[in-house]
Amino acid sequence: NAGVTQNPKFQVLKTGQSMTLQCAQDMNHNSMYWYRQDPGMGLRLIYYSASEGTTDKGEVPNGYNVSRLNKREFSLRLESAAPSQTSVYFCASSEAPGQGYLNEKLFFGSGTQLSVL
Amino acid sequence: GQQVMQIPQYQHVQEGEDFTTYCNSSTTLSNIQWYKQRPGGHPVFLIQLVKSGEVKKQKRLTFQFGEAKKNSSLHITATQTTDVGTYFCAGRDSNYQLIWGAGTKLIIKP
Repeated sequence: NAGVTQNPKFQVLKTGQSMTLQCAQDMNHNSMYWYRQDPGMGLRLIYYSASEGTTDKGEVPNGYNVSRLNKREFSLRLESAAPSQTSVYFCASSEAPGQGYLNEKLFFGSGTQLSVL
Repeated sequence: GQQVMQIPQYQHVQEGEDFTTYCNSSTTLSNIQWYKQRPGGHPVFLIQLVKSGEVKKQKRLTFQFGEAKKNSSLHITATQTTDVGTYFCAGRDSNYQLIWGAGTKLIIKP
């Protein structure tokens, strides 16, 4: 099993460009998440999806959109990239039904390092 | 919003010394998880604590959840080079949201 797969691993954008980060999991998990990680700030939740067809905002959703294409795939889109979006982005999945479910553990992808110039 | 404070931000130790990181929440947590992130890697789940006063061990790692379920700690005995990385706690609050600490980076002195 590959687990959680993210693409691309690295990306450089110019301010105003758009792009989509891809994420897929092969563990038949219900929930999927997008986090960003900045130095000294831990992980901040951007969006999550408790099931196919549903998405909810996390702590820092501004400037992002998501699509839960099917149970396996959850994409993150930057419509007009800004330098403040320079970060490492992690996709994660969990077996639990949703964000508010106890006893869930997260499986993370290897991350996308994004630089916006 | 709710925060989970994690200290210290960095800890430098000689190989063989012990390491401890602490997490503190202003409110009661439903449970707390611990993750390890190797340099250049992604967070990997280590353990989850649910019960008040719970203590769990994984070889040289000891995890504790406070009696009031507001604090937690991770203690590593006799650190090895393979322990290098950043350790994160993530607590589940009353709204069942997962709140992450900022992490403690374990650095082994050469």
